[in-house]
Amino acid sequence: KNQVEQSPQSLIILEGKNCTLQCNYTVSPFSNLRWYKQDTGRGPVSLTIMTFSENTKSNGRYTATLDADTKQSSLHITASQLSDSASYICVVANYGGSQGNLIFGKGTKLSVKP
Amino acid sequence: DTAVSQTPKYLVTQMGNDKSIKCEQNLGHDTMYWYKQDSKKFLKIMFSYNNKELIINETVPNRFSPKSPDKAHLNLHINSLELGDSAVYFCASSPYGLSYEQYFGPGTRLTVT
Repeated sequence: KNQVEQSPQSLIILEGKNCTLQCNYTVSPFSNLRWYKQDTGRGPVSLTIMTFSENTKSNGRYTATLDADTKQSSLHITASQLSDSASYICVVANYGGSQGNLIFGKGTKLSVKP
Repeated sequence: DTAVSQTPKYLVTQMGNDKSIKCEQNLGHDTMYWYKQDSKKFLKIMFSYNNKELIINETVPNRFSPKSPDKAHLNLHINSLELGDSAVYFCASSPYGLSYEQYFGPGTRLTVT
């Protein structure tokens, strides 16, 4: 069964600290993995999208890694800011082109405190 | 310049009514989607259209019917609304299929009383 599991479910950190969010998946065949940030009351916004051949990708203070062998991904946030408080959702696509599906994780709720 | 827009933003209605949510994208994308986000914040894809053609139709009640008059619009019509339909509905678009990142609209919060 295609599944995406994220951990932790929620996380509280102090402003300026780093953190790492985890995503494990059992999706086959794999097309790509993306991380989204969803602020409260807003639609998700794409942070990174990685294909099988990519093992790291950065977007400012966000760095995503992908280990296609172990089917694990992580999202590392450096020097956190209050505006990083949001839900972070890991999504895996199987197939590609116009067919296939997106399998969503349940997200990690990050709270950054001053 | 809103990329993906939805109307209305809030929708409160009674059980049994029929309602529609509209979505428009001005990005020139070929593929559009509808998602449902429940009270536990879990996002689930409902439909996907590519160039006005249905390509993903997850297991949703047939009371939900997407309509795509052109590739820039994907509307969601819901018949005989039920309490369990209360959720936030997001529209999204992508250049072509699932290989590309998606751009989400701001969401429509539907409350069925």
